[in-house]
Amino acid sequence: GNSVTQMEGPVTLSEEAFLTINCTYTATGYPSLFWYVQYPGEGLQLLLKATKADDKGSNKGFEATYRKETTSFHLEKGSVQVSDSAVYFCALRSENAGNMLTFGGGTRLMVKP
Amino acid sequence: DVKVTQSSRYLVKRTGEKVFLECVQDMDHENMFWYRQDPGLGLRLIYFSYDVKMKEKGDIPEGYSVSREKKERFSLILESASTNQTSMYLCASSFNSGTASGEQYFGPGTRLTVT
Repeated sequence: GNSVTQMEGPVTLSEEAFLTINCTYTATGYPSLFWYVQYPGEGLQLLLKATKADDKGSNKGFEATYRKETTSFHLEKGSVQVSDSAVYFCALRSENAGNMLTFGGGTRLMVKP
Repeated sequence: DVKVTQSSRYLVKRTGEKVFLECVQDMDHENMFWYRQDPGLGLRLIYFSYDVKMKEKGDIPEGYSVSREKKERFSLILESASTNQTSMYLCASSFNSGTASGEQYFGPGTRLTVT
């Protein structure tokens, strides 16, 4: 079946540090890949997405590249801010799963001033 | 902008009560979903619906039912609330996959406490 594995948190960084949150997946075919962000007390918001191999999704300074050869979609940001503190979820939609998304367990990011 | 709204942000109910959680989306999406989110367990799918009056069980349907009488509205029903249903409930919607990438749009969540 489909699965998404994320690094366990919490990840604690100082402001302006470089961020990487690892995400690897198992799926048949060519899934679409997503990163969602959940700020405290809120629902999930789509952060970025990539729909085919080697695509790079980007938004708000965050980037992730769809790597088919390593089945990965790692989230990166060059310089984090306190306002980036949130829980980040990696997710996929595979061709054989119709409208369903498979989510990773989430990674909590804490950025200190 | 896609908007998904949920009827309550916070709800406190007693054990045994019947609880209704309402979700409305304004983007004419075919699909709607109910998840619960618990610490350490991530998001778990309770039910989803791909059309009016249609529903499918997700991973954890026990103790829940749903209703979709109109395309824009999807209700989650706890027939007899129990303390182990204390959780954050998230509603989401999306277009049918087809040629779309299939991202889901989420509401703000309802934090339900059952005492």
